[in-house]
Amino acid sequence: QSVVTQPPSASGTPGQRVTISCSGSSSNIGSQNVYWYQQLPGTAPKVLINRNNQRPSGVPDRFSGSKSGTSASLAISGLRSEDEADYYCSVWDVSLTGWVFGGGTKLTVL
Amino acid sequence: EVQLVESGGGLVQPGGSLRLSCAASGFTFKNYDMHWVRQATGKGLEWVSGIGAAGHIFYAGFVKGRFTNSRENAQNSLYLQMNSLTVGDTAVYYCATGLEGWDSWGQGTLVTVSS
Repeated sequence: QSVVTQPPSASGTPGQRVTISCSGSSSNIGSQNVYWYQQLPGTAPKVLINRNNQRPSGVPDRFSGSKSGTSASLAISGLRSEDEADYYCSVWDVSLTGWVFGGGTKLTVL
Repeated sequence: EVQLVESGGGLVQPGGSLRLSCAASGFTFKNYDMHWVRQATGKGLEWVSGIGAAGHIFYAGFVKGRFTNSRENAQNSLYLQMNSLTVGDTAVYYCATGLEGWDSWGQGTLVTVSS
C-alpha cells in the first residue's frame, strides 16, 4: 500500500477529458513537488509533468497537472487512443526520506 | 543522446546476491542524481534507491540494509549491489535520471529470485 493513492483505473472516449487523482499527506504532496509519468505497455516510463504543472519539452499541451493541498491531479484533454497507458504520480516524502510512487492508474480509451 | 544501459540481472536463489550496473552516456554523469526503480511483472513502479551528484544516498524502506547503491563517475557508471535477495525482489530494475523529473530511463534488467 503506497503512501500516495491513485485510482486503479480510469476511462474515457476519444475527445473526452479525463482526470487522474493522486492523494497524499503533508509529508509528501502537501509540501513537495509532484511528478507524473506515463508508461506505455512494454516500455520504460516517460515523464509528463514536472513540479506539479510543468510540461517538459515535447509533451503535448493536452496533458496538464495541478496540485491543491495534499492532492494532485493529471488531466488529459482531447483523449486519444494512444493515451491508453499506465499513469503514475511520484513525490518525495520528507518523513520517509525517499521517493514514492502512487500505485498507478490504468487508463482505457473506450 | 542520453543513454542508460542496465546489465547484471538474472536468476538467483533466495538469499543470493547480484550486482546491477547502469552505463551512462550522452550527458555529464557526475552532475546528475541517479536512481534505481523496479517494477514487478504486472505491478507498479517502486523506487529503490537514489544517489546524488554529491554522493548522498537514500534507500526505500524495504531495502533494510540489503542493497548498496554506488557510482563511479570516472566510468560513468551506477551500481546496485543486492544481497539477501528474496522472492519479493523479483522485478525489472531500471536506472533513471533527470534534472527535473526523470526524463531518461534505461531499458531495464530483469532480476528473478527463485529456487
